[in-house]
Amino acid sequence: GENVEQHPSTLSVQEGDSAVIKCTYSDSASNYFPWYKQELGKRPQLIIDIRSNVGEKKDQRIAVTLNKTAKHFSLHITETQPEDSAVYFCAASTNGKLQFGAGTQVVVTP
Amino acid sequence: KAGVTQTPRYLIKTRGQQVTLSCSPISGHRSVSWYQQTPGQGLQFLFEYFSETQRNKGNFPGRFSGRQFSNSRSEMNVSTLELGDSALYLCASSLGPHRDSGNTIYFGEGSWLTVV
Repeated sequence: GENVEQHPSTLSVQEGDSAVIKCTYSDSASNYFPWYKQELGKRPQLIIDIRSNVGEKKDQRIAVTLNKTAKHFSLHITETQPEDSAVYFCAASTNGKLQFGAGTQVVVTP
Repeated sequence: KAGVTQTPRYLIKTRGQQVTLSCSPISGHRSVSWYQQTPGQGLQFLFEYFSETQRNKGNFPGRFSGRQFSNSRSEMNVSTLELGDSALYLCASSLGPHRDSGNTIYFGEGSWLTVV
């Protein structure tokens, strides 16, 4: 089945700097790649997603890139703010099943 | 409109007991999926229901089961509870089956289950 690896597991950035989280997947049939943000004690919330026919997508300070050949996709957060502190999960969808990465704890220090 | 609603939010059960968790999807959403979240295993897919039929299943033992009703509401049941079943159980809904590209899933707040 699909296997999604996510790096790094923790990421500490200075406010205003950029943060990058990378994920790799194993199944070339994966066609949908969402990113979720989960604050402590809260539900995961979709922040951005990308489909396999698109290489890059941007929404304000957040962008996602997809390299289907290399089977990896990345989340980029620019001009980080303290409220960006959370756990971020990547996921890959294959045959209707969403496989999640292990998560990245992002800490933005003022 | 209201989001995904899960009940109960918190519960404590004893080993060997069974538990039933309930999920009401976003109005108009017909697909419901369930996930288990633990610190050690992360977010793991349990199963997905659409039109009262299980469309997909993760790698969990038969003690974990679910169903969906005609109004799209769903329940999951865990029988013969084990300590390792302690987790946050998340329900997510989408307009249609997740298999169909374009059906984003939205999570509920989850049900925190503690098995003692």
